[in-house]
Amino acid sequence: GAVVSQHPSWVICKSGTSVKIECRSLDFQATTMFWYRQFPKQSLMLMATSNEGSKATYEQGVEKDKFLINHASLTLSTLTVTSAHPEDSSFYICSASTSGGTTDTQYFGPGTRLTVL
Amino acid sequence: GESVGLHLPTLSVQEGDNSIINCAYSNSASDYFIWYKQESGKGPQFIIDIRSNMDKRQGQRVTVLLNKTVKHLSLQIAATQPGDSAVYFCAESTTYNFNKFYFGSGTKLNVKP
Repeated sequence: GAVVSQHPSWVICKSGTSVKIECRSLDFQATTMFWYRQFPKQSLMLMATSNEGSKATYEQGVEKDKFLINHASLTLSTLTVTSAHPEDSSFYICSASTSGGTTDTQYFGPGTRLTVL
Repeated sequence: GESVGLHLPTLSVQEGDNSIINCAYSNSASDYFIWYKQESGKGPQFIIDIRSNMDKRQGQRVTVLLNKTVKHLSLQIAATQPGDSAVYFCAESTTYNFNKFYFGSGTKLNVKP
């Protein structure tokens, strides 16, 4: 089946630093990738949609300058949390889809736990 | 985004019993729905999906029912096992929205041995 990986699986950083999270589709090409964040005991909140070779589309209320997304290839998307603060601590999950225009299933990564001190 | 919510935040069932997890959605334009299972510290795992032109779909031990009239869907798990213990989310999407999924608040399923 389709496998999506994330790296790192967890990260602890100091307030004010930037953190990069990678999302890779291992055995398929993902035209579209999605980034979610999840607070403890809460649901997944869609942050942005990332299409290969174009700018990401952010959901309302998500700061694009705060959460930089790059989708440089069909197998890799990165999320950079810039100038991280404790309130950015969360579980960040990516997903990948093989088609951006139809309702194909999204394959989720295992998530990255970010803790900002 | 669309509002997708659940009636019951926690459900406890005895091993071997059937489980029913419910979900309400608010966007009448949503035409594709998925149930996901999430174990602690992991990403969501696809369980079953259903399109709006159907009202029922069955998988292995799982059945999804869709009632578009009242904007409600449910996940039925037959012969619930301890390994089914997890948080279950429904997600909705619309074809025109390029596969964007909006998730409900989740139901935690506890299976008692």
